[in-house]
Parts: sequence; structure tokens; C-alpha cells
Amino acid sequence: NAGVTQTPKFQVLKTGQSMTLQCAQDMNHNSMYWYRQDPGMGLRLIYYSASEGTTDKGEVPNGYNVSRLNKREFSLRLESAAPSQTSVYFCASSVGTRGSGELFFGEGSRLTVL
Amino acid sequence: SQQGEEDPQALSIQEGENATMNCSYKTSINNLQWYRQNSGRGLVHLILIRSNEREKHSGRLRVTLDTSKKSSSLLITASRAADTASYFCATGGGNKLTFGTGTQLKVEL
Repeated sequence: NAGVTQTPKFQVLKTGQSMTLQCAQDMNHNSMYWYRQDPGMGLRLIYYSASEGTTDKGEVPNGYNVSRLNKREFSLRLESAAPSQTSVYFCASSVGTRGSGELFFGEGSRLTVL
Repeated sequence: SQQGEEDPQALSIQEGENATMNCSYKTSINNLQWYRQNSGRGLVHLILIRSNEREKHSGRLRVTLDTSKKSSSLLITASRAADTASYFCATGGGNKLTFGTGTQLKVEL
């Protein structure tokens, strides 16, 4: 099993460009998450989806949109990228719908916005 | 905002020594989790301790939880070079799990 797969692994954008980060899990998990990791800031939750068809804001949702395409896939979209969105993005999933359980992480997507 | 804060920020030890890192948090919790992150990789879950537990073991890992002090510690015994990584505590309610800024552990040969 692949676990949680993120694409792309690396991306460079210019300010104002748009892009979508893709995430897929093959563990039949209900909940999926998007975090960003910045030096000295730890991981911060952007959006999460507790089940197929639902999405909710996390701590830092501004500038992002998400889509829970089906139970397996959860995408993160930057409509108009800004240099402040330069970060490493992690997708994660967990079994339950109510959280507080173990998270399984992807390997990360490293985004640079010039 | 970080719910958990790890201490120290960085720790360097010799192989074979024990490594202890601490986590303090602000509000009541249902459980507390510890994760490891190797350089350039995703986070990997190590252990979960529930609020009604005081100590938990997993292999060379020992986690304690003191809810009265709102703190937890992670002890890695007989450390190895492969333990070099960043370690994060995570707490939160429901789906909003929040992570601290981590302890960078370096184990030298």
C-alpha cells in the first residue's frame, strides 16, 4: 500500500499563478487534512475534511480552497499564489470522522512562490 | 497558534545515551500524540497517550503525561544515529490537531 501520496513533490510558481496540490490515500480513511510547515512555526492546519462531501477551515485557510473529490482524494488549490504561501505542504489522513486519532502523512509538497 | 510547545528546541547527544524532550500545552486534552520527522520527509506517528494514562511504552520510547501540569515527556533510551530527527507533540480536539514547533534531536556516533 502506498499510504498517502502527494503530487507534485516540488513546484515553483510566480506571484499570481494558480495551482492545485493533489492528495490521495488508499487506507479507506474518513478524514483528510492539509497542513503547511514553515521554519519555526511547526505545522499549521489549513483545511480538513471529516468525511466525503464535507470540508472545514483550519487555522490558516485564507488564500486556499479545497475539494474532497471522493473518499480517497483531497486537493488543495491556490487561486492566486503569493510569496507568503512559500512553504512545505503536507496532506494527512486518519481513520475516524471525529479526529484525535493517529494521522498518516504524505511526504510533502515543496512550493516556492517568486 | 500552537497548543503544544516542545523543549528543548535542539538536543545533541552521543549514541547510546538517553534523550528526553518535553511538551507543554495550554488547554485540557483527550490525548496527546508524539510524531517524528526525518529531514525532508513526512511526519510519522510514534505514540498516543490518553488523558487517563500516566505512562506508556513502545519499544525504546517512554512517554509520560501529567495533566495537572499540562505537560508530557518523551524519553528515547539507548539512542541511535537513526533517531536523528525532529520530534513533535500534537494535541487538540476533534479534527483540529495542533502541533508544536518541535525538538531537533541529533545523535552523534
